[in-house]
Amino acid sequence: DGGITQSPKYLFRKEGQNVTLSCEQNLNHDAMYWYRQDPGQGLRLIYYSQIVNDFQKGDIAEGYSVSREKKESFPLTVTSAQKNPTAFYLCASSLGTGAGNTIYFGEGSWLTVV
Amino acid sequence: AQSVTQLDSHVSVSEGTPVLLRCNYSSSYSPSLFWYVQHPNKGLQLLLKYTSAATLVKGINGFEAEFKKSETSFHLTKPSAHMSDAAEYFCVVSDRQGGSEKLVFGKGTKLTVNP
Repeated sequence: DGGITQSPKYLFRKEGQNVTLSCEQNLNHDAMYWYRQDPGQGLRLIYYSQIVNDFQKGDIAEGYSVSREKKESFPLTVTSAQKNPTAFYLCASSLGTGAGNTIYFGEGSWLTVV
Repeated sequence: AQSVTQLDSHVSVSEGTPVLLRCNYSSSYSPSLFWYVQHPNKGLQLLLKYTSAATLVKGINGFEAEFKKSETSFHLTKPSAHMSDAAEYFCVVSDRQGGSEKLVFGKGTKLTVNP
């Protein structure tokens, strides 16, 4: 089945550690996105990529890093510089970034700092 | 920049009664608008979208929304609520930044359906 796969579903991080969330899509989409979701705040854009080997900061990029070496993959690293990383993280993709493009979401990953 | 306001953070209805989830947006041009649904601990699923075609948009699971430019609204409705409709709903407007479109999300409306 076509879709977006995020892993792991649940991840625990110790203070000072970097962790990486995986996102893979087999929809042949050019654009991929990472969002962070906190209760009562909707979704906020961390990073997005319109094409392989290119990515742009979103609204809350500080403390995060990404790479886009393959079209299918857009991993997100939460670094120790991110002071409040506990949240639900959603990866998404779309065919392009033009008006009206539909964004499709993965099932999300919970990150908790312990 | 575009913005979107969901007027109710919580809505509670009885099973079989109508659902109305309200959304207002601001946009300096003709926007694309979306409604997404999220069940607990899940990703978001597209319910419907408006992209300057018909102003009444029909979506999945019996939902529909009407684009009203004069009121800058895009309210989501369903004639008869089902228990499985209990979820969080997000109204989304497209925002043109840096030559590309990005989505701006409302803060969500949690729908409770009572038996």
